[in-house]
Amino acid sequence: SAVISQKPSRDICQRGTSLTIQCQVDSQVTMMFWYRQQPGQSLTLIATANQGSEATYESGFVIDKFPISRPNLTFSTLTVSNMSPEDSSIYLCSVAPQGDTIYFGEGSWLTVV
Amino acid sequence: QKEVEQNSGPLSVPEGAIASLNCTYSDRVSQSFFWYRQYSGKSPELIMSIYSNGDKEDGRFTAQLNKASQYVSLLIRDSQPSDSATYLCAVNVYGGSQGNLIFGKGTKLSVKP
Repeated sequence: SAVISQKPSRDICQRGTSLTIQCQVDSQVTMMFWYRQQPGQSLTLIATANQGSEATYESGFVIDKFPISRPNLTFSTLTVSNMSPEDSSIYLCSVAPQGDTIYFGEGSWLTVV
Repeated sequence: QKEVEQNSGPLSVPEGAIASLNCTYSDRVSQSFFWYRQYSGKSPELIMSIYSNGDKEDGRFTAQLNKASQYVSLLIRDSQPSDSATYLCAVNVYGGSQGNLIFGKGTKLSVKP
């Protein structure tokens, strides 16, 4: 497995603002994944982040709304832009150090008011 | 639309009993199956993965996979109050990027002392 740290762990944000979530892994990994878990819903993959290339977004998610950076093999950021109450969710950074088994970070609980 | 279905529960079992959690999936070519446990206010943690038909045991946990029926289950023997959590079933997206899993909404388990 891997140790995955996320910041912030929780935040309350004003609508219309943007927030950047940081994810740090204790070992080098090729791909990092950003998931979202809306209240009462299942986890949904937002995008896959590879170092040195643009992130690959899943259907329903766009770069303008969720820009992602991946400057090196242990770090990534996800920005939630122009937030609305519908963006209130848990945002989870994850990695798959071996095969397709993924491990999650502690999560970032965002509430948009 | 690829889906993973779980009974939302809550499933209530007495301490010491066997808890049986079930999951069905729609994508017949899925190859990898996972169970995660999520305590309230926490991120999901991996319990087990299973790739072949049959049973896989790990301590008090047994995962069962039947690809013909597109069915995967998790049995928890000698259930403890500390097992009270939401259990998420996840299935890989065949042909998708590594780490692209489809999650069910989870089954909430309550183990009564």
